Amino acid sequence: AQSVTQPDIHITVSEGASLELRCNYSYGATPYLFWYVQSPGQGLQLLLKYFSGDTLVQGIKGFEAEFKRSQSSFNLRKPSVHWSDAAEYFCAVVPTGGGNKLTFGTGTQLKVEL
Amino acid sequence: GAGVSQSPSNKVTEKGKDVELRCDPISGHTALYWYRQSLGQGLEFLIYFQGNSAPDKSGLPSDRFSAERTGGSVSTLTIQRTQQEDSAVYLCASSLGTHPGELFFGEGSRLTVL
Repeated sequence: AQSVTQPDIHITVSEGASLELRCNYSYGATPYLFWYVQSPGQGLQLLLKYFSGDTLVQGIKGFEAEFKRSQSSFNLRKPSVHWSDAAEYFCAVVPTGGGNKLTFGTGTQLKVEL
Repeated sequence: GAGVSQSPSNKVTEKGKDVELRCDPISGHTALYWYRQSLGQGLEFLIYFQGNSAPDKSGLPSDRFSAERTGGSVSTLTIQRTQQEDSAVYLCASSLGTHPGELFFGEGSRLTVL
């Protein structure tokens, strides 16, 4: 079955530490891949996207993500986390076979310790 | 404002009542989506409108749920005979329709069914 998985429900990091949030997908063909962030009390905001080409993509707020076809993964990273990065992060996909329906993973809640 | 606007931001209703949630998308966006966000269920796709095409209703959980989009702009999500399990945050998003997965979300309407 087609799915997008975020194995970590909660992650806690210290401010200034590096961050990696995991995302795996299971689709016949590589889908379009996205990361969204939802800060407390706010709507979701697109951080970055991967359609094709360079497997390391840069996004807003200093985030980047790396697409690894062999691992069916699209992990989100940030070299140095700021307290304001505390939020919920969602990996999402759109199948390349057509349609525009965005399917989300279950999310990872990030807590930043000062 | 220039973003996606949703109203009401909060709605408390009694079981069995009907509710209407409104979404005003970004001007010029041809695609409009409704999602539901609840504890334990994550972000669920409900319905998708694209231009004048027939909507994709594949995510509507029951026939108590319906949505319309008038004049290709404002959309209303209607829940009839509300149940306690309908309690959730209902998120609306819009997009240009030519950029798969690049959605702009509103802040949501929180529905509480007593």
